[in-house]
Amino acid sequence: GAVVSQHPSRVICKSGTSVKIECRSLDFQATTMFWYRQFPKKSLMLMATSNEGSKATYEQGVEKDKFLINHASLTLSTLTVTSAHPEDSSFYICSARDARAGAYEQYFGPGTRLTVT
Amino acid sequence: GDSVTQMEGPVTLSEEAFLTINCTYTATGYPSLFWYVQYPGEGLQLLLKATKADDKGSNKGFEATYRKETTSFHLEKGSVQVSDSAVYFCALSLSYNFNKFYFGSGTKLNVKP
Repeated sequence: GAVVSQHPSRVICKSGTSVKIECRSLDFQATTMFWYRQFPKKSLMLMATSNEGSKATYEQGVEKDKFLINHASLTLSTLTVTSAHPEDSSFYICSARDARAGAYEQYFGPGTRLTVT
Repeated sequence: GDSVTQMEGPVTLSEEAFLTINCTYTATGYPSLFWYVQYPGEGLQLLLKATKADDKGSNKGFEATYRKETTSFHLEKGSVQVSDSAVYFCALSLSYNFNKFYFGSGTKLNVKP
């Protein structure tokens, strides 16, 4: 089946530093990838939609200069949290849509736990 | 606005018990409905889906019926197993924007032997 990986699975960084999270589709090409944020006991919140070769589309209220998204290839999207602060601590999940499959199906990565100290 | 509401957990059941996890939605237009499952340490996996009213999605003994009149998509299983312990998410996407998924807050299921 379609597999999406994320790296790292956990990261701890100091306030003011930047951290990059990678999302890879391992056995399919993903023209569109998505980044979600999950708060404790809360639902997943879509942050942005990432299209290969073009600028990401951010949801309302998500700072594009803080959460930099790059989708340089059909199998890789990255999310960089710039100048991280403790309030950015969260669980970040990516998903990818297989261009060959139904338009509405997304495959999710295992998530990255970010802790900012 | 468009949203999904599902019952809060955790839900604790004994093995072979009947499971129901309630999910209701609010949507403009005609949504497709989904149940995703997240096992510990893993990503969300699609469990089942239904794309129009009265459709029944089913997989691995789980079922959910798209009820337009009650705007519901309740998840059921007749006999749960310990291996079903996970977090279950109800979600919807809209026909005019398949990119955007709206998720419920998730319901943790604990099945005891």
